[in-house]
Amino acid sequence: GENVEQHPSTLSVQEGDSAVIKCTYSDSASNYFPWYKQELGKGPQLIIDIRSNVGEKKDQRIAVTLNKTAKHFSLHITETQPEDSAVYFCAASSGSNYQLIWGAGTKLIIKP
Amino acid sequence: DAGVTQSPTHLIKTRGQQVTLRCSPKSGHDTVSWYQQALGQGPQFIFQYYEEEERQRGNFPDRFSGHQFPNYSSELNVNALLLGDSALYLCASSFSGRVSEAFFGQGTRLTVV
Repeated sequence: GENVEQHPSTLSVQEGDSAVIKCTYSDSASNYFPWYKQELGKGPQLIIDIRSNVGEKKDQRIAVTLNKTAKHFSLHITETQPEDSAVYFCAASSGSNYQLIWGAGTKLIIKP
Repeated sequence: DAGVTQSPTHLIKTRGQQVTLRCSPKSGHDTVSWYQQALGQGPQFIFQYYEEEERQRGNFPDRFSGHQFPNYSSELNVNALLLGDSALYLCASSFSGRVSEAFFGQGTRLTVV
């Protein structure tokens, strides 16, 4: 079955700097890769996603890149702000597309 | 748009008891998936409901069961609660059985004592 690994588990960056979180997946049949932000006491919030027919997608300060050959995808946040502090999860669709397989999460800390 | 709503937000149950959690999907969505999230971990897929049927199930015992109603809302039932069932239970809604653009509720925090 699909397995998703996410690194790092904790990332601390200075406000204004960029943050990069990386994930790898195992199932070549996976074709949908979302990123979620989860704040304390809340459910995950979809922030950006990418499909396997696209290599890169950008939405303001957030971008996601996908390398299908290497089976890895990354989240890039530029000009980080205090409100970016949260736990970020990557996920990949299963081959059947009925479920999402999740990474273990990255705690992003923005230092003022 | 009310988004995905879950009830209750918090729940404390005793080991061996049964619990029912409820979810109303985002307007326009017809598919509900349930996930269990242990503290400090990513969500684990329990099952998905579409057209009032369980389409796929994750690696969870039969103590976990569910239902989807004609209005697309859903319930998650857990029987014979164990201490290890303590977790945040998340409901996600999407459209037409797909996992793409799934929106999550705020979750139900279940504590088993």
